[in-house]
Amino acid sequence: AQTVTQSQPEMSVQEAETVTLSCTYDTSESDYYLFWYKQPPSRQMILVIRQEAYKQQNATENRFSVNFQKAAKSFSLKISDSQLGDAAMYFCAYPIQGAQKLVFGQGTRLTINP
Amino acid sequence: GAGVSQSPRYKVAKRGQDVALRCDPISGHVSLFWYQQALGQGPEFLTYFQNEAQLDKSGLPSDRFFAERPEGSVSTLKIQRTQQEDSAVYLCASSSRQGARNEQFFGPGTRLTVL
Repeated sequence: AQTVTQSQPEMSVQEAETVTLSCTYDTSESDYYLFWYKQPPSRQMILVIRQEAYKQQNATENRFSVNFQKAAKSFSLKISDSQLGDAAMYFCAYPIQGAQKLVFGQGTRLTINP
Repeated sequence: GAGVSQSPRYKVAKRGQDVALRCDPISGHVSLFWYQQALGQGPEFLTYFQNEAQLDKSGLPSDRFFAERPEGSVSTLKIQRTQQEDSAVYLCASSSRQGARNEQFFGPGTRLTVL
C-alpha cells in the first residue's frame, strides 16, 4: 500500500533563515507525482510545489524547492528566506495512479520566529 | 466563483442527527474530491466524482456516509445518524482535469462537531 510519512510533527525557524521539511513515501509505481500543500491556520489548503518523478531536476517555485531522491523515496521541501506568512501546516501528498485519490502525510507544523 | 466554497463553515449536531454538507467547486472543474481531516492529522480521502459520476467511494467510512453530485457541479456529502467519531473537518477539492495527479483546489472546509 502506498504510504506517506512526515516524521517531524513540528518545526520552527527564525525569520529569513532556511528550513527543510522531510517526507518519505512508499510506492511500487515508476511514474508518479508528489505534492507539497500548505494549510495556514483557518485558511484553505493551497499547493506549494509539485514534482514529477520522471524528471531528474528538482522542482523550484521562488523560495520553495524540493530535494527529490527517487531511489530513497524521499521528497523534502526547502523554504529559503523564511517569512512570517510561511507559518502553516505543511502536508506532503502522493496521488495514487488509477485510484484518483491523494494520500497525505501526517503534516508538519511550521512556526516562524520573528 | 473565485474558488471552492463550502457551507456551512461550522456545524454542530447532536448524536443521531443527519447532516448535509455542501460544496460548490470552481466552475467548469470536472473532478471533485471529498476528504475528512481529523484534528492534527492529514486529510483522508472519502470519495471522488468525475462530473456527475461517483467513480470512487472507497474511503467512505460506513454506509451512513453518502455523497452525490447530480448535475456535475455542486456536491453534497450527507452523514446519517451522526456519531461522535464523525467530528472532523470535511474538505472539498476540485480539479480542472481528471484524476488526482492534477492540482486540487481546496475549499475552506466544514468543521463538524457531534455532541
